[in-house]
Amino acid sequence: GENVEQHPSTLSVQEGDSAVIKCTYSDSASNYFPWYKQELGKGPQLIIDIRSNVGEKKDQRIAVTLNKTAKHFSLHITETQPEDSAVYFCAAHSNTGNQFYFGTGTSLTVIP
Amino acid sequence: ETGVTQSPTHLIKTRGQQVTLRCSSQSGHNTVSWYQQALGQGPQFIFQYYREEENGRGNFPPRFSGLQFPNYSSELNVNALELDDSALYLCASSLLRGFVRGYTFGSGTRLTVV
Repeated sequence: GENVEQHPSTLSVQEGDSAVIKCTYSDSASNYFPWYKQELGKGPQLIIDIRSNVGEKKDQRIAVTLNKTAKHFSLHITETQPEDSAVYFCAAHSNTGNQFYFGTGTSLTVIP
Repeated sequence: ETGVTQSPTHLIKTRGQQVTLRCSSQSGHNTVSWYQQALGQGPQFIFQYYREEENGRGNFPPRFSGLQFPNYSSELNVNALELDDSALYLCASSLLRGFVRGYTFGSGTRLTVV
């Protein structure tokens, strides 16, 4: 089955700096890669996603890049704000399956 | 449009007991998936229900079972609880059985087994 690895497990940045979280996947059949933000006591919330036919996608301060050949994708957050502090999960999904495979999460702390 | 609601929010059970967790899917969604999230880990797929039938299962033993009702709400049942079953249980709904553009997750049920 699919194996998704995520790094780093914890990340601290100064407010206004950028944050980058990286994930790798193993199954070449995976073709959809969402990123979720999970705040304390809440369920994961979809923040951005990318399909395998696209290399990059941007939504205001967040962007995701995908390197299908190398099987890795990354989340980029620019101009970080304290409210960006949360746990971020990457995930992978393929049309041949019906489940998402999640990374182990990155705890992001933005220091004011 | 309502989101996904789960009940109860917190639950404490004794080892060996049985528990039922409930989920009301987002309006119009006909597929429900259940995930287990252990502390400090990513969610792990338990199973998915589509039109009241199980539509895929992860690596969980048969004591984890589920139901989906005609209104697309769902239950997760766990028998013979073990200490390792302590986790956040997440329900997620989506519109199609196949591709889902991400899920809509509920806030989860925190289960503690003592």
